[in-house]
Amino acid sequence: GAVVSQHPSRVICKSGTSVKIECRSLDFQATTMFWYRQFPKQSLMLMATSNEGSKATYEQGVEKDKFLINHASLTLSTLTVTSAHPEDSSFYICSACRDGGMYEQYFGPGTRLTVT
Amino acid sequence: GDSVTQMEGPVTLSEEAFLTINCTYTATGYPSLFWYVQYPGEGLQLLLKATKADDKGSNKGFEATYRKETTSFHLEKGSVQVSDSAVYFCALSGEGFKTIFGAGTRLFVKA
Repeated sequence: GAVVSQHPSRVICKSGTSVKIECRSLDFQATTMFWYRQFPKQSLMLMATSNEGSKATYEQGVEKDKFLINHASLTLSTLTVTSAHPEDSSFYICSACRDGGMYEQYFGPGTRLTVT
Repeated sequence: GDSVTQMEGPVTLSEEAFLTINCTYTATGYPSLFWYVQYPGEGLQLLLKATKADDKGSNKGFEATYRKETTSFHLEKGSVQVSDSAVYFCALSGEGFKTIFGAGTRLFVKA
């Protein structure tokens, strides 16, 4: 159990367009989901914490108008990169906490975004 | 604030060598500690965890012991394989479910 999926796994888009990435908990309910960004050969940087039914909490330095997060249900959170630019190219990873799960997070496989 | 420091890589070992990747942490309260592994082009997989002092997490031959007195959670494996080549992240999670990651240590195992 505790599987998290992401879709798409890879996406290439043109500068100025918007891209939506989905994160789903497949076999459990996740009140809290997290979005991370990972640059090549670097660690994960937490972008925001997404709580079902409420606004996401963004980390300092992350533009909330650029990275729109929606956590509409207990199994789905979406990250939309608006007006994407080449510098937004990165590996985006989501994770989900199972209710009452002792701080353990389950990670999705990641989405590779390339903006041309 | 909370932080995790792990040894810089890359670490290059021959097959069947002993592995240690050091990890120390700074945290308020009593965090849970984790080791995650990331294979090329993939997301993170939980390798092992420990939720309280003196707990030992183990999986696939890897072990780590939660040492509160030295604020450490070093990863060890007695005999590495080529398939263990990956990036290893030490992490802690405390209040608010936020997970703080170390910088990651890349491991290369040669046949």
